[in-house]
Amino acid sequence: DAGVTQSPTHLIKTRGQQVTLRCSPKSGHDTVSWYQQALGQGPQFIFQYYEEEERQRGNFPDRFSGHQFPNYSSELNVNALLLGDSALYLCASRTAGETQYFGPGTRLLVL
Amino acid sequence: AQSVTQPDIHITVSEGASLELRCNYSYGATPYLFWYVQSPGQGLQLLLKYFSGDTLVQGIKGFEAEFKRSQSSFNLRKPSVHWSDAAEYFCAVGEGRGSTLGRLYFGRGTQLTVWP
Repeated sequence: DAGVTQSPTHLIKTRGQQVTLRCSPKSGHDTVSWYQQALGQGPQFIFQYYEEEERQRGNFPDRFSGHQFPNYSSELNVNALLLGDSALYLCASRTAGETQYFGPGTRLLVL
Repeated sequence: AQSVTQPDIHITVSEGASLELRCNYSYGATPYLFWYVQSPGQGLQLLLKYFSGDTLVQGIKGFEAEFKRSQSSFNLRKPSVHWSDAAEYFCAVGEGRGSTLGRLYFGRGTQLTVWP
């Protein structure tokens, strides 16, 4: 049984560009959350998706948007990239009432 | 507002020594509490969790944690540390209950170094 998978593992972008990160949840999980982990910090909640809708959102600007597909996979989109968006982006999935399981993350570097 | 404090940024212990990592939380109701471990360049692996019941919870890799409501603490312990335990450890509190369990609030982490 595959756990949470994310792609790509690494990518480099320049300021002003747009990026899309992808996440496939653990089998049987229907809720996906995204977190941003800056270097030396704990993960910060971006948003959570359930039934293809954004259920909850953290303190992130509208440049950060997401989507959940009918198969529960999810995308995180970031527009107009800033240097400060450089971070490890973590996807987590769960089903009702259960613990969140995290993927390995996508490391984004903005130059 | 919910928050988690891990007062120790970096801890160094000798292999075979005991370990305690501190975590204090702020949450208005009975919290869902978690400890995760992160190895370099990796995602987060769940060590243990507390939802309710026995305040001493056992996790993987020989770790345990004790929930103390009066102190708003959820400290992680291990009686004998192995070199492979070197990693970063995060304490987190979950918002909501059961099926409405939502975001996790994380502390800034404690980096553990193990001397041989």
